[in-house]
Amino acid sequence: EAGVTQSPTHLIKTRGQQATLRCSPISGHTSVYWYQQALGLGLQFLLWYDEGEERNRGNFPPRFSGRQFPNYSSELNVNALELEDSALYLCASSLPTAEGYEQYFGPGTRLTVT
Amino acid sequence: GQSLEQPSEVTAVEGAIVQINCTYQTSGFYGLSWYQQHDGGAPTFLSYNALDGLEETGRFSSFLSRSDSYGYLLLQELQMKDSASYFCAVQTGANNLFFGTGTRLTVIP
Repeated sequence: EAGVTQSPTHLIKTRGQQATLRCSPISGHTSVYWYQQALGLGLQFLLWYDEGEERNRGNFPPRFSGRQFPNYSSELNVNALELEDSALYLCASSLPTAEGYEQYFGPGTRLTVT
Repeated sequence: GQSLEQPSEVTAVEGAIVQINCTYQTSGFYGLSWYQQHDGGAPTFLSYNALDGLEETGRFSSFLSRSDSYGYLLLQELQMKDSASYFCAVQTGANNLFFGTGTRLTVIP
C-alpha cells in the first residue's frame, strides 16, 4: 500500500511569490491535514479537509489556503510569501472512520523563501 | 490558551529505559497521541491514550493521567535506531491534534 506522497520535495521561492504544494493521501483515506514544521518548533496545524470541504483551520493568515479534489488529493497554496514561511510542510491523512488521532504523514515539502 | 510541555532533549544509554514526559493544558481533551520522527523523515504514529492507565506496544508504553493532565512515553531496551524526536499531541477535538515541540532522544552506546 502506497503511503502519503507529497510534491515537490523542495521548493525555493522569492518573497512575495506564491507557492503550491501537493499531497496524495493513502488510498481509502478521505481526511487530509496540513502542518507547518519550522526549525525547532513542533507541528503547527494549518488545515483539515474532508470530503472536499475545509473542516478546520489553524491560527494562520488567510494567505494560507488550499483545497481537496474529488480524488481526495489536496493542495496547499501560500500567497505573498514571507521569509518566515520557510519551513517543512507536512501533509497527513486518516481513515474516514477514525477520529483523526492516528494520522499518516508524508515526507514533506521543504519550502525556502529568499 | 493551549500549551504542551515536554523536555527538549534526552540522552540515554543503549539497552536502558527512558521516559519522556508530557504535560498539557488545552481547552478540549479527547486523548493523547505520541509520534516518532527520525531526522529527515515523516512523523509516524506510536500510540494513543484516551483513558487513564498504561498502554503497551512492544518495547514502547504510553501512560495517561487525565486528572493530572500528564502523560509519558516509556521506551525500554533502547536501541540506537530509537534516536529520533518524539512528539506528544493532544486530541482537542474530532480530527484535531495539537502537537508539542518534541523531545529529541539520543541513544548512546
